[in-house]
Amino acid sequence: ELVESGGGLVQPGRSLRLSCAASGFSFEDYAMHWVRQAPGKGLEFVSSINWNGGDTDYADSLKGRFTISRDNAKNSLYLQMNSLRPEDMALYYCGKGWGIDSHNGGPIDFWGRGTLVTVSS
Amino acid sequence: QSVLTQPPSVSGAPGQRVTISCTGSSSNIGAGYDVHWYQHLPGTAPRLLIFGNSNRPSGVPDRFSASRSDTSASLAITGLQAEDEAHYYCQSYDNRLGGFVVFGTGTEVIVL
Repeated sequence: ELVESGGGLVQPGRSLRLSCAASGFSFEDYAMHWVRQAPGKGLEFVSSINWNGGDTDYADSLKGRFTISRDNAKNSLYLQMNSLRPEDMALYYCGKGWGIDSHNGGPIDFWGRGTLVTVSS
Repeated sequence: QSVLTQPPSVSGAPGQRVTISCTGSSSNIGAGYDVHWYQHLPGTAPRLLIFGNSNRPSGVPDRFSASRSDTSASLAITGLQAEDEAHYYCQSYDNRLGGFVVFGTGTEVIVL
């Protein structure tokens, strides 16, 4: 199971940290992903991280503002979001990757139900 | 950052067959990366429908099938059912800018 938390209403320019609690599988054996869906839009890749946190990827438009991390001891994935903009408003999903490598082109084979981030003054 | 193009919607009557195309380029599907498909109903977690171009996870009906060729892929739903009404997304990997996951633009399947 993947359960996201940390979403909420935040003013533009502020920060928010999302968490994803994993259970039911060996968390440290898998890459993890964050994907978002803005209102009325499709799925959009946000960020990926390999099994030990040593390799991370970001959507080009988010580099420098968002930081993905993980704590394998706590079976948890995180997304630190800084300088939030109205266009960052979305439902943020965490997803389990396919193996330890985030660059293997594999699917996201299990998803959480998402946490909603609203950016508004 | 959607670099995979899908039709906005497709429709069909119950029992009919519909197909959804997913068009990429030489930096993703054309580079040999696998294509995966997801079914997404509003308010729910996306569901992996097809992985590795044409493989169904356990529990996915064989009414769903997919293929990949050159720089594109397609998903077919045969024997369309009312419960198939959802959004469908293709996904692959792109090797530009250090590499990243890419999703299709999404297709709404409407059961008439």
